[in-house]
Amino acid sequence: QSALTQPPSASGSPGQSVTISCTGTSSDVGGYNYVSWYQQYPGKAPKLMIYEVSKRPSGVPDRFSGSKSGNTASLTVSGLQPEDDADYYCSSYAGSNNLIFGGGTKVTVL
Amino acid sequence: QVQLQESGPGLVKTSQTLSLTCTVSGGSISNGDYYWSWIRQSPGKGLEWIGYIYYSGGTDYNPSLKSRLTMSLDTSKNQFSLNLRSVTAADTAMYYCGGQDTALVAVVIWGQGTPVTVST
Repeated sequence: QSALTQPPSASGSPGQSVTISCTGTSSDVGGYNYVSWYQQYPGKAPKLMIYEVSKRPSGVPDRFSGSKSGNTASLTVSGLQPEDDADYYCSSYAGSNNLIFGGGTKVTVL
Repeated sequence: QVQLQESGPGLVKTSQTLSLTCTVSGGSISNGDYYWSWIRQSPGKGLEWIGYIYYSGGTDYNPSLKSRLTMSLDTSKNQFSLNLRSVTAADTAMYYCGGQDTALVAVVIWGQGTPVTVST
């Protein structure tokens, strides 16, 4: 199983929106509604931000939203805040009780 | 609130076995809501799912690591462990233990991570 494909970087000014893509195949992203997104600050553990494509855990701001079309999932951060400057990783169920992650996207708040 | 803490040697010699333990606090490892997982992150790279063990002892592993991997759990100590055999420099990474929600298929709990370097 190959890693999901994410752009290495994305950026936006405070208040703007940024969207990150996560491309897989019909065997993972396209085949299941089990896409998750994680936020990671340098030197820290990842934190779950989105699960089941578009659901937010308690405490995650509604500025974060997720969607999926075919084999590509997306994370949108609306109204960018300085604290959104971080790495973001997608993951997907890949069948046979396996998980697969993306390579990560560095989001820079300009 | 369930918390996880990894422990183990930070340095392992090439061809030896990497052994890590994750201690679960604030809840029971016999909680069927979670798959007790391991995830690693090579320096400057992305996350890689290693596998998980369920409270029943059932396991699922990343196919690319399966031949070298064994996971176990100790319910009396509320711990689960990872053994990765025949390590090489490519196994150098930050290793995280995690709790993957069985219903959400997402890692909802993360340990702080422990760095492991493989060197001769």
